[in-house]
Amino acid sequence: EAQVTQNPRYLITVTGKKLTVTCSQNMNHEYMSWYRQDPGLGLRQIYYSMNVEVTDKGDVPEGYKVSRKEKRNFPLILESPSPNQTSLYFCASSPLQGGLRTEAFFGQGTRLTVV
Amino acid sequence: AQSVAQPEDQVNVAEGNPLTVKCTYSVSGNPYLFWYVQYPNRGLQFLLKYITGDNLVKGSYGFEAEFNKSQTSFHLKKPSALVSDSALYFCAVRASNAGGTSYGKLTFGQGTILTVHP
Repeated sequence: EAQVTQNPRYLITVTGKKLTVTCSQNMNHEYMSWYRQDPGLGLRQIYYSMNVEVTDKGDVPEGYKVSRKEKRNFPLILESPSPNQTSLYFCASSPLQGGLRTEAFFGQGTRLTVV
Repeated sequence: AQSVAQPEDQVNVAEGNPLTVKCTYSVSGNPYLFWYVQYPNRGLQFLLKYITGDNLVKGSYGFEAEFNKSQTSFHLKKPSALVSDSALYFCAVRASNAGGTSYGKLTFGQGTILTVHP
């Protein structure tokens, strides 16, 4: 089954404790991205990657890091989480072929609470 | 810069009545437009998209949407609402000719909560 898998689904952590949210897709998609969802703001792009070792900032990259060492994996790293990073996070993937006419596939989401 | 506006935070309809969830967009060049639905504690599920061609596109669960280039709108519609349609709906746009850091970027509206009453 084609899917994007995020882990963990729920996470409560303390300010300053480094964490990683994993994302893996099994569709051989080149394009992957991370979004955060906040009430009234919709989804905002944090980082994206067009292929292995190619990553770039989205609209709200501050406080986040990513890496793309393998095509299927795109982890989101919070080096020193703060309460304003409490949010619902989504990973998404799309194929680059066809000029990105294909819809993005989303993971189930990770609800992060930083206390 | 590209943007999407969903002017209604909430839409309430009675079961069996038609529903419309509004979306307007701004993008350079031709848009690719998408609707997604989010049920509680679930990820985003794709409903339908407009890429090119017929302005009326049909999607999953009986939903359809009409692309209007002059009004830069892409409203989501369904002829007869079901209670099970109650969810959070997102409209999104991707520029077909964007380059640089905007290439491939999906920009979302703020979402509309649809509530269908029995």
